[in-house]
Amino acid sequence: DAGVTQSPTHLIKTRGQQVTLRCSPKSGHDTVSWYQQALGQGPQFIFQYYEEEERQRGNFPDRFSGHQFPNYSSELNVNALLLGDSALYLCASSWGTGTMNTEAFFGQGTRLTVV
Amino acid sequence: AQSVTQLGSHVSVSEGALVLLRCNYSSSVPPYLFWYVQYPNQGLQLLLKYTSAATLVKGINGFEAEFKKSETSFHLTKPSAHMSDAAEYFCAVSDDMIKAAGNKLTFGGGTRVLVKP
Repeated sequence: DAGVTQSPTHLIKTRGQQVTLRCSPKSGHDTVSWYQQALGQGPQFIFQYYEEEERQRGNFPDRFSGHQFPNYSSELNVNALLLGDSALYLCASSWGTGTMNTEAFFGQGTRLTVV
Repeated sequence: AQSVTQLGSHVSVSEGALVLLRCNYSSSVPPYLFWYVQYPNQGLQLLLKYTSAATLVKGINGFEAEFKKSETSFHLTKPSAHMSDAAEYFCAVSDDMIKAAGNKLTFGGGTRVLVKP
């Protein structure tokens, strides 16, 4: 089992540019959540996708958007990049059927640096 | 709104000594609480979780945590620290495990543990 995989592992972008990050969930999982972890801080919830729809959203501007594909993989898009968007972006997958006592598995993250 | 406060951004312990990491939460509904560990340049790994069963929860790598409703706390402990425990630890809360698995998590700011030989 490959677990949650994210690509790329590192990325450098210029202010104003757009970026796309990718996530493949753990086998058998159908729900993908994205988190932003700024340096020295805890992760902050961006949004969650289930059945190809955004189900929950955190306090992030519309510059942050996402997509989930029929195979449950997901993309995070950030437009008009700001220096403050520099962070580790984490993807977490889970099995979203309403069953209690389940766990979200995290990928290793994509380190985005905006210069 | 939920929130999590981790007291102490850095903790230094000697190898073999007790590890105690503090976590206090705020939630308007019965919470579900988690501790995650993050090693350098890696994602998060679940150590343990509280989901309203036993208040003393045992996790991986010898860690355990006790849920105390009266104190709104969920402190993490390990009796004897190993060098391999050097990492960052995050406490997190979720208020809605019924709606969906792996629900939105609200994290604390993290505590970095340094283990001295």
